[in-house]
Amino acid sequence: AQKITQTQPGMFVQEKEAVTLDCTYDTSDQSYGLFWYKQPSSGEMIFLIYQGSYDEQNATEGRYSLNFQKARKSANLVISASQLGDSAMYFCAMRDPLSSNTGKLIFGQGTTLQVKP
Amino acid sequence: ETGVTQTPRHLVMGMTNKKSLKCEQHLGHNAMYWYKQSAKKPLELMFVYNFKEQTENNSVPSRFSPECPNSSHLFLHLHTLQPEDSALYLCASSQDLTEQMNTEAFFGQGTRLTVV
Repeated sequence: AQKITQTQPGMFVQEKEAVTLDCTYDTSDQSYGLFWYKQPSSGEMIFLIYQGSYDEQNATEGRYSLNFQKARKSANLVISASQLGDSAMYFCAMRDPLSSNTGKLIFGQGTTLQVKP
Repeated sequence: ETGVTQTPRHLVMGMTNKKSLKCEQHLGHNAMYWYKQSAKKPLELMFVYNFKEQTENNSVPSRFSPECPNSSHLFLHLHTLQPEDSALYLCASSQDLTEQMNTEAFFGQGTRLTVV
């Protein structure tokens, strides 16, 4: 079965520093998609970045980049130049290849990031 | 309004009450979802609707009853809930994805449900 693992329940980072949030996944499929979402205290899940299993380059979106290591089945999120507004919970998710026509996502447990001034 | 809107944002209900959660999306998507987020647990998918048809029920107890009258609206009817059903209930929508793995799901802000 597909599974997402985030081993860091909580992380601290100093403002303006970079931080890496870990994500490993388990799937036997060759075609899959990986997502990162941010959940502030308001509750809404905000899409950050996507990495496809066949993408040769690591995805980047502004201050967010994905360190994708396919052989190790890891898709770590790197946030550069952290800001106070980055304090939130971060979820790694995988599109379930068996349900690709409905967009079902499998989520990890999440990592709480706190940015210190 | 744009995006995915959920109402109410907060709900407190007794175990014998009947209430409904509402989700509305203005994104033209065809798939809608209910997720449950309990403390210290990953998001759990509850139901999936694609073109108004339920395509997945993730072994959800019958005290949760979804309804999807059209592709823009999704309801979750609640009755005789238990205290352990207290959680954040998130609605999401996405395009129908027969070929595209990279289309993200858009989420509402959730309904914080407390069962007393």
